[in-house]
Amino acid sequence: DGGITQSPKYLFRKEGQNVTLSCEQNLNHDAMYWYRQDPGQGLRLIYYSQIVNDFQKGDIAEGYSVSREKKESFPLTVTSAQKNPTAFYLCASFPQGLSNQPQHFGDGTRLSIL
Amino acid sequence: KQEVTQIPAALSVPEGENLVLNCSFTDSAIYNLQWFRQDPGKGLTSLLLIQSSQREQTSGRLNASLDKSSGRSTLYIAASQPGDSATYLCAVSRTDSWGKLQFGAGTQVVVTP
Repeated sequence: DGGITQSPKYLFRKEGQNVTLSCEQNLNHDAMYWYRQDPGQGLRLIYYSQIVNDFQKGDIAEGYSVSREKKESFPLTVTSAQKNPTAFYLCASFPQGLSNQPQHFGDGTRLSIL
Repeated sequence: KQEVTQIPAALSVPEGENLVLNCSFTDSAIYNLQWFRQDPGKGLTSLLLIQSSQREQTSGRLNASLDKSSGRSTLYIAASQPGDSATYLCAVSRTDSWGKLQFGAGTQVVVTP
């Protein structure tokens, strides 16, 4: 079955440490997105990529970094510069060029501070 | 800047009642509006997508309407069931960047048996 796989499901970060969240999709979608979800709030866009080797900042990119070396993969690194990283992180993909199609989401990674 | 608001934040109804969930947005220059369902600790599942040129979409017991001029969308769920308990989020995309979504905070729904 086609879908988006996020790993790990739970992640703990020590102070000063960088951590990387994995997102893999086998839907052959061009565009991929990272969102952050805090309790009682909607999703906020961190970074997005519409094509391999290209990505753009979203609304809350500070303290995060991404890469897009392969179409299937869009890992997110939460750096030590992100002072409040505790949140639920969701990865999504989208069939660019098909405007009547919804975004597909993974099951998320919950990041906490040790 | 586009702002998306969902009221109420939480809703509890007895099984069998119809559910009415509201979503409002401040900028009418949208490309489409989507409704998603989120179960606890899970990702989002797409329910309905309404193009800006459409007035409504239907899927089974779900019906979503869109009024761009007033900046409103409503999701109706007929004859609610305990399995409908979840958080429902609406999201809009802009005409100049239709892949990027702006989300509301969601409505948490509990359907009691």
